[in-house]
Amino acid sequence: AQSVTQLGSHVSVSEGALVLLRCNYSSSVPPYLFWYVQYPNQGLQLLLKYTSAATLVKGINGFEAEFKKSETSFHLTKPSAHMSDAAEYFCAVSDGRTRAHSGAGSYQLTFGKGTKLSVIP
Amino acid sequence: NAGVTQTPKFRVLKTGQSMTLLCAQDMNHEYMYWYRQDPGMGLRLIHYSVGEGTTAKGEVPDGYNVSRLKKQNFLLGLESAAPSQTSVYFCASSYYPLSYEQYFGPGTRLTVT
Repeated sequence: AQSVTQLGSHVSVSEGALVLLRCNYSSSVPPYLFWYVQYPNQGLQLLLKYTSAATLVKGINGFEAEFKKSETSFHLTKPSAHMSDAAEYFCAVSDGRTRAHSGAGSYQLTFGKGTKLSVIP
Repeated sequence: NAGVTQTPKFRVLKTGQSMTLLCAQDMNHEYMYWYRQDPGMGLRLIHYSVGEGTTAKGEVPDGYNVSRLKKQNFLLGLESAAPSQTSVYFCASSYYPLSYEQYFGPGTRLTVT
């Protein structure tokens, strides 16, 4: 079984400050990991994803995340927060298997409970 | 290219009423998903489909049914709505499962009184 823990349901940062949103996961096999962003009254949009290539992943809008297997973490960072970054952020994990490969795979993305980011002017 | 669209955007139902939520995608994606989003709970998978004519249960399937008669459409039905089904429902689609991006619709806000 896989799970995701996002530390902090609400994070506030000043404009121009570092953004750090934490995500820890558990997975029985090498995972695929994702960060999604949700702006108010909208659907989710992919920020970035890790699929076993480079451990430092760069995404849209200046965000990046680093996969650390030893810490089972995939924290999201941005050097300098902008007002437009205010949104809710979701970390998600999948175990990367498919029925074609394992015969008993899962198509499920497991989402964390989300972290709402506020940016203070 | 509209991406993923959902109909309706808002709906209020009385307990026991039925309704169908429609999801449509124009990206020729094989895989489609229905999620519900509740405060503090993240997104939870209700049902999914790996191709036209197929459906499967997700994490929270009870009280819902789905159909995928056409590749581009994925319908979510509530046969007898309950207040516990008050939620925001999101449809998503993807070309490949899991390792590739899921594209989300704008959501349907459902209130059951």
